[in-house]
Amino acid sequence: NAGVTQTPKFRILKIGQSMTLQCAQDMNHNYMYWYRQDPGMGLKLIYYSVGAGITDKGEVPNGYNVSRSTTEDFPLRLELAAPSQTSVYFCASSPRVGGNTEAFFGQGTRLTVV
Amino acid sequence: GQQVMQIPQYQHVQEGEDFTTYCNSSTTLSNIQWYKQRPGGHPVFLIQLVKSGEVKKQKRLTFQFGEAKKNSSLHITATQTTDVGTYFCADYSGGSNYKLTFGKGTLLTVNP
Repeated sequence: NAGVTQTPKFRILKIGQSMTLQCAQDMNHNYMYWYRQDPGMGLKLIYYSVGAGITDKGEVPNGYNVSRSTTEDFPLRLELAAPSQTSVYFCASSPRVGGNTEAFFGQGTRLTVV
Repeated sequence: GQQVMQIPQYQHVQEGEDFTTYCNSSTTLSNIQWYKQRPGGHPVFLIQLVKSGEVKKQKRLTFQFGEAKKNSSLHITATQTTDVGTYFCADYSGGSNYKLTFGKGTLLTVNP
């Protein structure tokens, strides 16, 4: 059982470049989340989705976009990379069924913008 | 939306000492979750508390939810080097309780 899979694991971008961080889950979870974690800091919510076709902004959405065309996939798009977007990005999913609210995290994508 | 505040930010202990981290909210929480993140790893779910005054134990870890459901604590008895990591509390907030937001976490280091 793969759980939540994030690709790539590492990436170096130049300022102004674009990229998509991929996230896929095979647990049929409706809820999915994107977080960023700066060194020594907590997790800040970027975007979340409660089901296919539905997305909403979290605490720090500026500079990012998401889509949710299927239950399985929740890609995060950076259009014009900036050094402030250097961070570790985590994708998570949760079933939120019958009181089960546990969130499962991917391994993370470490992004450096230079 | 509501935000959970976590203290302390850092805690360094000698192996065998106890450790406690606290999570506080200005508003009533529907439930509280606790996660552990090992250095270089990803957050891993530990437990969820739902009921007022609830206490749950996992071996040396004791989790409590306050009577008013505005605070929670995680207590580790006799820490071991394997307990090293950052402990986060998290709650679902937002109009329909969809947003999962995290406290800033407590980094625990253990001196062997």
